[in-house]
Amino acid sequence: GAGVSQSPSNKVTEKGKDVELRCDPISGHTALYWYRQSLGQGLEFLIYFQGNSAPDKSGLPSDRFSAERTGGSVSTLTIQRTQQEDSAVYLCASSPTQAAGDQFFGPGTRLTVL
Amino acid sequence: DQQVKQNSPSLSVQEGRISILNCDYTNSMFDYFLWYKKYPAEGPTFLISISSIKDKNEDGRFTVFLNKSAKHLSLHIVPSQPGDSAVYFCAASVTNAGKSTFGDGTTLTVKP
Repeated sequence: GAGVSQSPSNKVTEKGKDVELRCDPISGHTALYWYRQSLGQGLEFLIYFQGNSAPDKSGLPSDRFSAERTGGSVSTLTIQRTQQEDSAVYLCASSPTQAAGDQFFGPGTRLTVL
Repeated sequence: DQQVKQNSPSLSVQEGRISILNCDYTNSMFDYFLWYKKYPAEGPTFLISISSIKDKNEDGRFTVFLNKSAKHLSLHIVPSQPGDSAVYFCAASVTNAGKSTFGDGTTLTVKP
């Protein structure tokens, strides 16, 4: 497809388990972002990749969260030792430029930690 | 400390009338503002933006107004249509910084 895709669409896990969320950005987009949206709240910035530059990790809430982007394309967000407060929709976006308005969002992964 | 605030969690308007969604920000470094629209089970989609060098930007039925002195922006939708029913997020950024700071969203319901 032409848009940003994310997998899985839904993930239910038990507290303490690790999870991996995947994002396939639009081909050719150099920038990739991860956000999360907790229930009834806005989007919270997590991490930003731009080309070959060091990622902006300033939004990661704890060292249990990490992300990588392989080959400048696919990205994986990993949450270790999940907690119930990690339950949220995790949204990935990609952009052809650094301009904020150019962000194209995927449908998100709904994570539920029991 | 929430830097972008949408104080109205919901808004209901009649089809054909004007919808006005409001947003306030606190960080004076923000110089680029955006509105996104989000339907259930979908990611947000970009709607309209405005740079801090302007006070108004119009695109069809959608107009965004920026009042820098008040650190306030608003989105006007005229005329409102039932298909406009969605959650609207206000976002702010520093140009070319990439990441945006989002408000909590306002759920707009347009009644036929």
